[in-house]
Amino acid sequence: NAGVMQNPRHLVRRRGQEARLRCSPMKGHSHVYWYRQLPEEGLKFMVYLQKENIIDESGMPKERFSAEFPKEGPSILRIQQVVRGDSAAYFCASSPGSETQYFGPGTRLLVL
Amino acid sequence: KQEVTQIPAALSVPEGENLVLNCSFTDSAIYNLQWFRQDPGKGLTSLLLIQSSQREQTSGRLNASLDKSSGRSTLYIAASQPGDSATYLCALATQGGSEKLVFGKGMKLTVNP
Repeated sequence: NAGVMQNPRHLVRRRGQEARLRCSPMKGHSHVYWYRQLPEEGLKFMVYLQKENIIDESGMPKERFSAEFPKEGPSILRIQQVVRGDSAAYFCASSPGSETQYFGPGTRLLVL
Repeated sequence: KQEVTQIPAALSVPEGENLVLNCSFTDSAIYNLQWFRQDPGKGLTSLLLIQSSQREQTSGRLNASLDKSSGRSTLYIAASQPGDSATYLCALATQGGSEKLVFGKGMKLTVNP
């Protein structure tokens, strides 16, 4: 039973480019969460999605950031027109409903 | 607004010591509390989860306790080993919401052989 998969593991973008981060939840999990970990900071919640629905996006920046979890395929976190302050580790977690969230290895984004 | 604090931010100990890691939170209306381990450059591994109705959970050398009234949780590590070196994160889910986790900044533990 594969765990939560994230790709790419490392992503380098220049300022102004778009970053697309992918998350495949564990088999049977329909709930996906995205968190961001800035350097020397704790993880901060960004968004919670179920299939085809955004349940809670209270942690998402108002501009440039979007997330989706389509009926088929992975969840995508998209960052448009990246800036240096977007450099961070982005973690995805999945759960079957409640209880423990299982985390992926993260995508480390570096904006030059 | 729920805030989670872990003090100290780092701890270095010799192998074999029994350790207590502290976590405090400001709002006692929690759904559950989890302790995670994070290794450098890696993801998070869940160690223990305590439901709001529980007082403690145990797994091997690890024991986590929860005192909602005082807004505290502790993670007890018995007979520490160099392999325990990692960053330990406390996180809690608030009630009645999306089950999003609120994390502390973590405590970096180094166990010296």
